[in-house]
Amino acid sequence: DSGVTQTPKHLITATGQRVTLRCSPRSGDLSVYWYQQSLDQGLQFLIQYYNGEERAKGNILERFSAQQFPDLHSELNLSSLELGDSALYFCASSEEGDSKDTQYFGPGTRLTVL
Amino acid sequence: AQKITQTQPGMFVQEKEAVTLDCTYDTSDPSYGLFWYKQPSSGEMIFLIYQGSYDQQNATEGRYSLNFQKARKSANLVISASQLGDSAMYFCATVWGYQKVTFGTGTKLQVIP
Repeated sequence: DSGVTQTPKHLITATGQRVTLRCSPRSGDLSVYWYQQSLDQGLQFLIQYYNGEERAKGNILERFSAQQFPDLHSELNLSSLELGDSALYFCASSEEGDSKDTQYFGPGTRLTVL
Repeated sequence: AQKITQTQPGMFVQEKEAVTLDCTYDTSDPSYGLFWYKQPSSGEMIFLIYQGSYDQQNATEGRYSLNFQKARKSANLVISASQLGDSAMYFCATVWGYQKVTFGTGTKLQVIP
């Protein structure tokens, strides 16, 4: 158990809908990252937050947005969902958010778009 | 742009033998980190080992060691005394700048009894 929690574990929804994925980092970690893992794209870094501020952006679509709240939990919002958004979404956390920090991953949220 | 290459889509190893999983990277940033993660069939990502670009010694964590050859831009993972529970996907990743992360495509390791 990494100490990172993600809810829900599974999510099934329809095209065009909007969903919110939630992540609680390990106790003491200030930085949160979001990843998408799909069969065709592999593991893709989406976005990083550090202590409430956006710090780095990867291959995140405009339909997707994220935020980190004062209690350090984070939410990833996915809107206008398409079939291709079906994937495993991981959240990870680290202490300070620099390149030496180990990122600890949550169990993931499996999103299925029908 | 950073790039990670894992050229072995799948590997087999006999139980109790050692195995090397290859990883090469391409980065223009002088400061970076290299990570290996394990992903069992259950789906979670498990941190295994970290190597910093300025570290002089190769990283080791129990049965895992990282064969870091900076000039060749390679960071191969060596697993000694393979166990059945080592069967999983293994991902190499590079972290650079403010935690921009690039993952390789992974190597599926199967340990044979």
